[in-house]
Amino acid sequence: QVQLVHSGAEVKKPGASVKVSCKASGYTFTSHGISWVRQAPGQGLEWMGWISPYKGNINYAQKFQGRVTMTTDTSTSTAFMELRSLRSDDTAVYYCARHKLGSHAFDVWGQGTMVTVSS
Amino acid sequence: QSVLTQPPSVSGTPGQTVTISCSGSSSNIGGNTVNWYQHLPGTAPKLLIYSNNQWPSGVPDRFSGSKSGTSASLAISGLQSDDEADYYCAAWDDSLTGQVFGTGTKVTVL
Repeated sequence: QVQLVHSGAEVKKPGASVKVSCKASGYTFTSHGISWVRQAPGQGLEWMGWISPYKGNINYAQKFQGRVTMTTDTSTSTAFMELRSLRSDDTAVYYCARHKLGSHAFDVWGQGTMVTVSS
Repeated sequence: QSVLTQPPSVSGTPGQTVTISCSGSSSNIGGNTVNWYQHLPGTAPKLLIYSNNQWPSGVPDRFSGSKSGTSASLAISGLQSDDEADYYCAAWDDSLTGQVFGTGTKVTVL
C-alpha cells in the first residue's frame, strides 16, 4: 500500500539543526511532489514548502526561506527536510505529504515526526 | 498567521448537518481550488475533499464541499461521533506563492 514513513522523534537545543526523513513506498516516487507541513502544540497546520522528486523544483514558504532545505534521494525514495537555527517555537510535529497528481491536494500523509527544541 | 479564516468551533447532534466556512481572498480561494482535511489528534491529517467538491476514494459522500467567490464551505451531513475532529481548508495563494491553510475548526458531536 502507499505510505510515507517518517524518521523518529528528535530533541534539539536552540540553535541546532534537525533533518527529518520521509520514506515513500507503494508508488512511483518521482511521479508526485512532496510537501512538508508542521503543527506546533495547540496550533493549526502550517505549510513549509514542497519539492518535486522528478525535476528537483523547490518552493519554500516565505517564512522559512534561508532556514530550511528540502531534498530527495530517488534511489531510496526518501524525502528530507532540514531546518536550521532551531528556536523553541519550532517545536512541532513535522509531516511529509504527497501531492495528488495534478493538484496541490495532499492525498497521502506520513505519521509525522515530533521535533522538540529545548535547552 | 493563516490567511484563510474558519470558525474556531461548530457543534451538532448525531444525524444533524453542520457547515464549516472558509473565507479567503482573490489571491487564494478566489483564483484556486480548495481542499479540505480532517485531523484527529495524534494521527496524520486526511484529505476529505479536493478541487472544491471532489471526493478521494473511500471518503463518504456525507462530506461535501463547495466554493463561491472567495469563500468555501464544507458540509457534514448525518453527523456521527467519529466526525469529532479538527477540519482545515487549504488553497494555493498566488501572492504568497505557497499553500495556505485555514485557521482550523473543531467539530464537536453533542
